[in-house]
Amino acid sequence: KQEVTQIPAALSVPEGENLVLNCSFTDSAIYNLQWFRQDPGKGLTSLLLIQSSQREQTSGRLNASLDKSSGRSTLYIAASQPGDSATYLCAVRAAGNKLTFGGGTRVLVKP
Amino acid sequence: NAGVMQNPRHLVRRRGQEARLRCSPMKGHSHVYWYRQLPEEGLKFMVYLQKENIIDESGMPKERFSAEFPKEGPSILRIQQVVRGDSAAYFCASSPETDNEQFFGPGTRLTVL
Repeated sequence: KQEVTQIPAALSVPEGENLVLNCSFTDSAIYNLQWFRQDPGKGLTSLLLIQSSQREQTSGRLNASLDKSSGRSTLYIAASQPGDSATYLCAVRAAGNKLTFGGGTRVLVKP
Repeated sequence: NAGVMQNPRHLVRRRGQEARLRCSPMKGHSHVYWYRQLPEEGLKFMVYLQKENIIDESGMPKERFSAEFPKEGPSILRIQQVVRGDSAAYFCASSPETDNEQFFGPGTRLTVL
């Protein structure tokens, strides 16, 4: 059974610092991994999708790496801003199309 | 291109009533997924549907819950005889093909009194 863990559960940094969010999964037989952002009381916004054959994806200040063999992904957010404050979720897709989510990392960027 | 739409956004029901949650996928998407987020818990998969077919319902509670995605119209998640433990945010996602990313709707927040 696939299990996804995100560490840390919460993170507080001053504005301008880089953010490093970690995600680990127990079964390396995945098709892809997605990173999402969730604001309080809102839905999920897809940030990056990494296919199993890829090592990383970049979008603006965001960069996500994937090491499938070790079951790890890391989301880097450069030069954090207060607007980056949210909960960040990673999810893996294995056979069957369903996504298995981690518990999330709650990020606070202080001005 | 409108995103995934869900309605209602908020739903209040008394114990024993029925809840119907609707999801309209993005244009061109024929795959729909329902997830539930219980208070202070992560998102959990419930069911995966294509038009007129349930593909995977391994995450659905065995009783009171059902889902459909008819040929015409939105996907419906139906909860009969709701209990307080059903209070949660229910999210719908859609994708165009089976190995593409899933796009999520804003969710329906169900409160059972």
